[in-house]
Amino acid sequence: AQSVTQPDIHITVSEGASLELRCNYSYGATPYLFWYVQSPGQGLQLLLKYFSGDTLVQGIKGFEAEFKRSQSSFNLRKPSVHWSDAAEYFCAVGANTDKLIFGTGTRLQVFP
Amino acid sequence: NAGVMQNPRHLVRRRGQEARLRCSPMKGHSHVYWYRQLPEEGLKFMVYLQKENIIDESGMPKERFSAEFPKEGPSILRIQQVVRGDSAAYFCASSPSLQYSYEQYFGPGTRLTVT
Repeated sequence: AQSVTQPDIHITVSEGASLELRCNYSYGATPYLFWYVQSPGQGLQLLLKYFSGDTLVQGIKGFEAEFKRSQSSFNLRKPSVHWSDAAEYFCAVGANTDKLIFGTGTRLQVFP
Repeated sequence: NAGVMQNPRHLVRRRGQEARLRCSPMKGHSHVYWYRQLPEEGLKFMVYLQKENIIDESGMPKERFSAEFPKEGPSILRIQQVVRGDSAAYFCASSPSLQYSYEQYFGPGTRLTVT
């Protein structure tokens, strides 16, 4: 069955530090992969997506993610974190034509 | 262009009551998805609807839950005889067509509390 694993429940970084959030997926075919961000009490906002082509995808707010088929990973990165990036981040895979399967999320805390 | 709208944003129900959650998709979108987010968990797919059709309800609990997306008006997620375990955030997402069904735009959610 398709699944998404986000091994880090909670990550804390200092403002200005680099960030990498891990995501591993399980899916037989080429997956469609997504990263969403959720601020407290808000809905989800799409940061970036991978469908095919270049394995390094750029998103909004300075985020990028790299698809690595050999590792079944789609890790999210940002070179310099801002305090406003504190939120919950969800990785998701589009496994069939009609739904997204989400990981359990990584909560990011940013210290000044 | 207004985004996906959900109301109410917060809903409190006593055990045994009914909860009705509404979702108005983005303009021009004809596909609606409902997801549930339990505390400290990710979102779980519940149901996928097009206008007047349920396409995939594989994530819906077998009892007490139903969803519709009528020709006119918002999509409704209905929970009958709510129990404490139904307390969660319910998110609606919409997309323009099947070809872009992965491009789902999420509403702000309805937070249901069952007392």
